[in-house]
Amino acid sequence: DQQVKQNSPSLSVQEGRISILNCDYTNSMFDYFLWYKKYPAEGPTFLISISSIKDKNEDGRFTVFLNKSAKHLSLHIVPSQPGDSAVYFCAVKSYGQNFVFGPGTRLSVLP
Amino acid sequence: EPEVTQTPSHQVTQMGQEVILRCVPISNHLYFYWYRQILGQKVEFLVSFYNNEISEKSEIFDDQFSVERPDGSNFTLKIRSTKLEDSAMYFCASRLQGTNEKLFFGSGTQLSVL
Repeated sequence: DQQVKQNSPSLSVQEGRISILNCDYTNSMFDYFLWYKKYPAEGPTFLISISSIKDKNEDGRFTVFLNKSAKHLSLHIVPSQPGDSAVYFCAVKSYGQNFVFGPGTRLSVLP
Repeated sequence: EPEVTQTPSHQVTQMGQEVILRCVPISNHLYFYWYRQILGQKVEFLVSFYNNEISEKSEIFDDQFSVERPDGSNFTLKIRSTKLEDSAMYFCASRLQGTNEKLFFGSGTQLSVL
């Protein structure tokens, strides 16, 4: 019973190009969506979030897109940098409920 | 910037022993969480804690697990009789009150049960 899926376990991108990480969810009641980045031996750190009333949120090189009808979330990183190499988790939440995390996508940005 | 701190960073224990993992959440946060990540697997929710009581727990959080906020700053996870399958990275997290407040995570405790 996977409520949140990240179908690509890994992704490799050249430095300077765009990285696109995808996340799909099953429950239309989810209304708050976040992306976290995790380096080895560290806890997840918050990157960017979006609520269900928006379809795009941008913060510097990071943009999150939400397609509610498709129950799909994506994170765009442009331009990608070697320091972006990490595992990226999407997390979703509905009102009054706890966060549910996806399995993560390991991004490698090649110099 | 305020942060969630966890101790110890690594804990090695024998199967059947009790362990206590410690966390100091961000001081003005009101919701506290434990998550874990078994090597190669996803981050799994264990328990949430608010107003000095458990607000939600997962199926993983069975009778061998307990949480406590013994004073105004610490938040602990106790595993009474550890099993091999409890080996994982355990993350504490906290957040402010509010519907869409993001979680702040600690750096984790790597628990190894031998």
